[in-house]
Amino acid sequence: SQQGEEDPQALSIQEGENATMNCSYKTSINNLQWYRQNSGRGLVHLILIRSNEREKHSGRLRVTLDTSKKSSSLLITASRAADTASYFCATLYNQGGKLIFGQGTELSVKP
Amino acid sequence: ETGVTQSPTHLIKTRGQQVTLRCSSQSGHNTVSWYQQALGQGPQFIFQYYREEENGRGNFPPRFSGLQFPNYSSELNVNALELDDSALYLCAIPGTGPGELFFGEGSRLTVL
Repeated sequence: SQQGEEDPQALSIQEGENATMNCSYKTSINNLQWYRQNSGRGLVHLILIRSNEREKHSGRLRVTLDTSKKSSSLLITASRAADTASYFCATLYNQGGKLIFGQGTELSVKP
Repeated sequence: ETGVTQSPTHLIKTRGQQVTLRCSSQSGHNTVSWYQQALGQGPQFIFQYYREEENGRGNFPPRFSGLQFPNYSSELNVNALELDDSALYLCAIPGTGPGELFFGEGSRLTVL
């Protein structure tokens, strides 16, 4: 069973708006990652934040991590129609171990 | 492009049949993981192979088995297929960060 929970399950916004997705997890982690998946295709790694980091940026992406609350958020700024996809958080519990994925947030960006 | 190739891309089987899914990578990594993704869900870890041996397994029954070959290509075999086995099966190799994965495009299995 998956240990991560994401909300919202679905998010619909207009182009140019910001999109925020949240992820919660249950136990101590090594790192937390975000992945993107276009409909029915493979997952693409977006960004990784380590357990000793609080915030990380990559282009239009901003990720925060609050280990005391066991939660993370992904912010996509100035969204584009091409950002339409499902976004998953994934946690790594020990080096070399498996990734545990949340159930994802389906983002729709309308032109 | 991650350089991870999976085949077939789509296939349909009936209950009770067996299926073999294949994965290969351009760079020939010695570690490969397999994930099952049911519709509307996140991927779930099936197992991982390192240098041709299974070295980690998720909550999947023994009828899910795998192989990794000397050239580091890999197979996922599922016996006695059930309707709930219908899913996207993803193969992944290590990326650059700890635990980071490069995924293939997946094999979509439908069990009727």
